[in-house]
Amino acid sequence: NAGVTQTPKFRILKIGQSMTLQCTQDMNHNYMYWYRQDPGMGLKLIYYSVGAGITDKGEVPNGYNVSRSTTEDFPLRLELAAPSQTSVYFCASSYSAPGLGSEQFFGPGTRLTVL
Amino acid sequence: GQQLNQSPQSMFIQEGEDVSMNCTSSSIFNTWLWYKQDPGEGPVLLIALYKAGELTSNGRLTAQFGTTRKDSFLNISASIPSDVGIYFCAGQLSDGGSQGNLIFGKGTKLSVKP
Repeated sequence: NAGVTQTPKFRILKIGQSMTLQCTQDMNHNYMYWYRQDPGMGLKLIYYSVGAGITDKGEVPNGYNVSRSTTEDFPLRLELAAPSQTSVYFCASSYSAPGLGSEQFFGPGTRLTVL
Repeated sequence: GQQLNQSPQSMFIQEGEDVSMNCTSSSIFNTWLWYKQDPGEGPVLLIALYKAGELTSNGRLTAQFGTTRKDSFLNISASIPSDVGIYFCAGQLSDGGSQGNLIFGKGTKLSVKP
């Protein structure tokens, strides 16, 4: 199993540009998550999904959108990139939540810079 | 939002020393997870805890779910250079708050001097 994969690994955007960060998992997990990690900070939840067709906002959803058309894929879209969105983005998945089986497995991250 | 206080923020130790770090909160949790993150990589799960008082080991790592359910501890024995990285605690609220999503501490950065 590849686990959780993310593309691209790095990206530089200009202010106002848009892009989609891709995330795929091959563990047949129901739950998927997007986090951002800023220097010296923990992970902040942007959006999450409990299954195909169901998404919900996390702690910091402004400026982002998600969709979940399949169990495997959970893309994150930035419509109008802003410098405040410069961060490292992690996708994660878990079998369930909460309790046993809720351990989240993370992808390698996408490092995004907005200039 | 909910807060997890993770300490210490950073540690600089000699190879062979033992390491202790902890996370505390004013809220009650039903799950505690400990992750390690290497530079340029995503967090990797080290230990998962599900019951108050539970003590679980993974090699040289031992973690405990505090009896009050408001804290958790991670110990690393006989540290080696590859233990370098950032260690994160993550907890899941017992009241189902945040739909069972994880709340992360800010991390403990560990440096090991050979």
